[in-house]
Formats: sequence, C-alpha cells, structure tokens
Amino acid sequence: DAGITQSPRHKVTETGTPVTLRCHQTENHRYMYWYRQDPGHGLRLIHYSYGVKDTDKGEVSDGYSVSRSKTEDFLLTLESATSSQTSVYFCAISDAGRRPYNEQFFGPGTRLTVL
Amino acid sequence: DQQVKQNSPSLSVQEGRISILNCDYTNSMFDYFLWYKKYPAEGPTFLISISSIKDKNEDGRFTVFLNKSAKHLSLHIVPSQPGDSAVYFCAASASGAGSYQLTFGKGTKLSVIP
Repeated sequence: DAGITQSPRHKVTETGTPVTLRCHQTENHRYMYWYRQDPGHGLRLIHYSYGVKDTDKGEVSDGYSVSRSKTEDFLLTLESATSSQTSVYFCAISDAGRRPYNEQFFGPGTRLTVL
Repeated sequence: DQQVKQNSPSLSVQEGRISILNCDYTNSMFDYFLWYKKYPAEGPTFLISISSIKDKNEDGRFTVFLNKSAKHLSLHIVPSQPGDSAVYFCAASASGAGSYQLTFGKGTKLSVIP
C-alpha cells in the first residue's frame, strides 16, 4: 500500500469554524489531490498540487483552500465550514511522470460533519 | 456536464456468475481509463486500467473492455465472489495538459450474493 495518511480520520465541527485536514505521504510523489465523496456524486476534485507551493483548483473548490509547503504534506482548509461541506474527504497521490500509468493512490479518508 | 457516466447505481449478482459494470464517457480526448474499487470506510483502491491503444486488458478474474467508437468501457468480473461486493468507480484521463487529473464516474455498488 502507498504510504498515505490522513488526519484527523473523523471530525465534528460547527458551522462557521475553520477546519484543516492534513494529508501526509511517504512516497515522494509529485502530485497530490483532495477529493470529496458524496452520495450520488462520486468523487469530485477539490484542489490539487503539482509541486511544492504549486496548486490549482478542481471542480468544487469554492469554500476551500490548500497549501503545500513540503513534498510530503498537503493541507486542505475550510475557512468557514458550512453544512454543505459535510462529506468524506480523500487525499490521493500520483507519480504522473510514469505516464501513461497515471494511477492515483488514495488515503483512508476523513469523515467531516458540520453541524 | 458529466464526462464519465456510470448509469447503474447498483448491481446484484449471484456468487460464481459474471458481473459486468458499465461506463460511458463523452470526452473524446480521454485516452486512459481506470477502475477503482471501494469498500465502506476505506479509500478507493486501483483495480485495473486500459490504454486507448488497446481494446482489452485482463488481470486474473478482472477484464476491462474498451470500445472507443462507442465511448464505452466495461469491467467483467468472473467468477464473482462475495468479497467483490463494493462500490466500483470508473475514471478517465487525457494526454497533454492536465494529464495527471482523473475524472470519475458516480460509482456502481456491486453486491455479490452467496
């Protein structure tokens, strides 16, 4: 299994509070991604990173920000959590330099509940 | 606009029989396709992939078929086992800019009945 950890694994917070989720990898992969999974929507990309301090928006980026100060860590911040951000969040990594073998490897997920 | 579609939210199959999961795509730039399997409370895990230069790729009990003209791919599991019960996601990527991104379908929940 790829070395990807996410913390926390579960979190309950209140509307309006800031929340930061952490993804840590030990694979030295260049690309890192944050997805959310919701019933009826599958996996949707929030933000991704293609290197240290290099990030870009995905399909559902509103209300989220990210930072990557080290190769191994990718942080997802909900600046002011809303109930619509209740979801399961997955981090993924890939070594796209091995194209076309563009598999992404996923972390175990963080279940976030915003009350 | 959904570029990767899995039109069957769920599928039930008897143990030992064949499971066929379908996926359609609309973006003709997609040239690499992947299937992921997801158990509850776990992250998705890569299962099998296929490049657009092929029409079939096999790995043990799992075979993926690609029909480029129909923009359709399917995952066959033979024989199906109870441990195959999971949600299966189809994903696609395109060469060139953004080639490191995947576009996922909504998933199909497979239940294999003993």
